[in-house]
Amino acid sequence: KQEVTQIPAALSVPEGENLVLNCSFTDSAIYNLQWFRQDPGKGLTSLLLIQSSQREQTSGRLNASLDKSSGRSTLYIAASQPGDSATYLCAVRKNNDMRFGAGTRLTVKP
Amino acid sequence: GAVVSQHPSRVICKSGTSVKIECRSLDFQATTMFWYRQFPKQSLMLMATSNEGSKATYEQGVEKDKFLINHASLTLSTLTVTSAHPEDSSFYICSARWRGTSGEQFFGPGTRLTVL
Repeated sequence: KQEVTQIPAALSVPEGENLVLNCSFTDSAIYNLQWFRQDPGKGLTSLLLIQSSQREQTSGRLNASLDKSSGRSTLYIAASQPGDSATYLCAVRKNNDMRFGAGTRLTVKP
Repeated sequence: GAVVSQHPSRVICKSGTSVKIECRSLDFQATTMFWYRQFPKQSLMLMATSNEGSKATYEQGVEKDKFLINHASLTLSTLTVTSAHPEDSSFYICSARWRGTSGEQFFGPGTRLTVL
């Protein structure tokens, strides 16, 4: 069974810092990996989707990498802002289902 | 981007009653829809997968007679929590996948269920 782990569970940084969130998964035979943002009490906002054949995706200040063979992905956030404060979830898809990590709760202090 | 809606956004009910949650794909046809449950400060746990016109596939530990899923059309799936109990209080999120795409799932905004 696919296990998805996210480290750290919580992170607090001052505004302007660059930061990295980590995601690891046990079964490397994945179809794709997706990073989401979730604000308190809200649904999921998709940030980046990386297909298994890709190594990274970029959107604005966000960059996600995928190393399928080692079962790892990172989400890099450049020049963090208070509005980036949220929980970040990674999810991996194999076949027909998607498995989520427990998330990293990010706080960016002004 | 593709939009998935859920209704209601929040519901409060008495113990023993049944509650229906709707999930709709607004601008695309979803052959597969997924239902997740999220307890406070925990991640999403897949409850079941439903394909249009066929019975849902439930994850281990999820009671199919308690969580009734219907996926009657390509744009609508419903989750009915029957005989709800306080321990069923949770955040329920649905997602939908496009027909024949690279596999991106689009998520609804969630439904907060509180059972008194």
